[in-house]
Amino acid sequence: EVQLVESGGGLVHPGGSLRLSCAASGFTFSSSEMNWVRQAPGKGLEWVSYSSSSGSIMYYADSVKGRFTISRDNAKNSLYLQMNSLRAEDTAIYYCARELGRGVYYFDYWGQGILVTVSS
Amino acid sequence: DIQMTQSPSSVSASVGDRVTITCQASQGISSYLAWYQQKPGKAPKLLIYAASSLQSGVPSRFSGSGSGTDFTLTISSLQPEDFATYYCQQANSFPLTFGGGTKVEVK
Repeated sequence: EVQLVESGGGLVHPGGSLRLSCAASGFTFSSSEMNWVRQAPGKGLEWVSYSSSSGSIMYYADSVKGRFTISRDNAKNSLYLQMNSLRAEDTAIYYCARELGRGVYYFDYWGQGILVTVSS
Repeated sequence: DIQMTQSPSSVSASVGDRVTITCQASQGISSYLAWYQQKPGKAPKLLIYAASSLQSGVPSRFSGSGSGTDFTLTISSLQPEDFATYYCQQANSFPLTFGGGTKVEVK
């Protein structure tokens, strides 16, 4: 069974940092492209970042570029999101999501989500 | 960036109704479109990908159509478990973008 479990969320002050983790199981993580998607309270979905299966190719939404860094450890079946210079508008539930594969960017499995709150 | 516009933003319907949701891309995306269902407090669930391909395990009352800039999600006979919010997503190019969502509510 495919499982994605996020951790590392919480309350952080504006300008602070947080590192999210996503533990994957039930599939070959090292062959899977992965993403982070977020959802502000009561709002819609916003794609945040993409990692190729090797971690060598990364993409970011303009809203987080230069502040967030996606990475992965295929030996540990884990995906990460380092979030720096956090702003109030980064407050959201953050989901890690696996891509369906075959080189197309659809998300077939999602974690349960982890809440990040940026507030003073 | 490709903008995705969904309509309506909400729809009131009854069990058994046929429900249609539309999604328009700001530029052509071929068939690189997905539909997701999200229930309160839950992660989104993939329903349709490549505009019209039904994801494994999804009931056949869900169907998708369209290509280019105009797409449609149809629920042929609404069931109680289908009351939720639905999102489209373009997978043509980065940044990947979602529509604003359509909430299907009880009439």
